[in-house]
Amino acid sequence: LAKTTQPISMDSYEGQEVNITCSHNNIATNDYITWYQQFPSQGPRFIIQGYKTKVTNEVASLFIPADRKSSTLSLPRVSLSDTAVYYCLVGDMKGSNSGYALNFGKGTSLLVTP
Amino acid sequence: NAGVTQTPKFQVLKTGQSMTLQCAQDMNHEYMSWYRQDPGMGLRLIHYSVGAGITDQGEVPNGYNVSRSTTEDFPLRLLSAAPSQTSVYFCASSYSGRVAEKLFFGSGTQLSVL
Repeated sequence: LAKTTQPISMDSYEGQEVNITCSHNNIATNDYITWYQQFPSQGPRFIIQGYKTKVTNEVASLFIPADRKSSTLSLPRVSLSDTAVYYCLVGDMKGSNSGYALNFGKGTSLLVTP
Repeated sequence: NAGVTQTPKFQVLKTGQSMTLQCAQDMNHEYMSWYRQDPGMGLRLIHYSVGAGITDQGEVPNGYNVSRSTTEDFPLRLLSAAPSQTSVYFCASSYSGRVAEKLFFGSGTQLSVL
């Protein structure tokens, strides 16, 4: 599991675009970047995953630069219901060295206000 | 499919009591894990299992026991509860535990130790 660094907290107003950046300088060739979202009083849920360039789904977009040493989760036009903690994990899908201790850390706590 | 089911949802214990938090999944996942979440501390891994009969310690294993006799179940035992174990506990599962696989979480158990 590659070491990641993300901001502890972010604030935003409704309707704004929110970008949360995760740094992962020691990302390996086979590693994927995965983001989870955790609403208050719920377990985390998978929201998006990418390997390179850009991935978009109905919840968010994930931008990954060519060097893959960071990634940015983008939430377009956030609403109050996007208030949650967002976690970035980096690791691989295949191979024998991915490890099984999936440590989530503190994530980024996003607060959206009116 | 029910996914990952945790019981009970709420529990109050007295110091020194023992109890078992139940976790079951119906997705035929080999990997299961337990996390605790305390305010401001993020998700911390307690124990995990990569298959029936195989368990290992995570970041904060002290005071907790686990066993994995079946693929479906992964109970977490508190042998002698302490106030420091007051927390929200989440169980999670995935196909094999690779970081890039989607991890599914239960809805959590809120435990208070008085």
